[in-house]
Amino acid sequence: DSGVTQTPKHLITATGQRVTLRCSPRSGDLSVYWYQQSLDQGLQFLIQYYNGEERAKGNILERFSAQQFPDLHSELNLSSLELGDSALYFCASSDPSGSATDTQYFGPGTRLTVL
Amino acid sequence: AQSVAQPEDQVNVAEGNPLTVKCTYSVSGNPYLFWYVQYPNRGLQFLLKYITGDNLVKGSYGFEAEFNKSQTSFHLKKPSALVSDSALYFCAVRPHSGGYQKVTFGTGTKLQVIP
Repeated sequence: DSGVTQTPKHLITATGQRVTLRCSPRSGDLSVYWYQQSLDQGLQFLIQYYNGEERAKGNILERFSAQQFPDLHSELNLSSLELGDSALYFCASSDPSGSATDTQYFGPGTRLTVL
Repeated sequence: AQSVAQPEDQVNVAEGNPLTVKCTYSVSGNPYLFWYVQYPNRGLQFLLKYITGDNLVKGSYGFEAEFNKSQTSFHLKKPSALVSDSALYFCAVRPHSGGYQKVTFGTGTKLQVIP
């Protein structure tokens, strides 16, 4: 168990809908990362937050947004969902220093299915 | 832009034999390099990382990796494979120059250890 929690574990929804994925980092970790894992595109970095501020942005679509709250939990919002958004979404947190050498600790993921 | 290549989608090895999972990278300046493992229906788990110093890095579960700057490689190795090592392995790179940089993951290599 990495200490990173994600809810829900599974999510099934329809095209055009909006969903929110939640992540709680390990105790003491200030950085939260979001990744999308799909069969055809592998593991794609979406976005990183450090202590409430956006730190780095990857291949995140405009229909997706995220935020990190004062208690350091993070939410990933996915809107106008398309079939191609079906994937595993992982959250990770890293050591408090926030440096580039930090090890990332991954949550168990949320499996999103868009029908 | 940085990139990671894992040239083999799958590696098959007999139990007890040595295993190698290959990784090459491209980055401006010096890299930080990581290996993660993903078991079925689980999040990624950290195995080891290279920051600086000794080119041979030892990690969890008997794995090690060798950093080769001239060949821009960071191959993962284990002297004697176990069936329980069967999983998906990801190499990742992060440059440590030019300001804060995101981490880039390879596409993953599926390791199958045959009893």
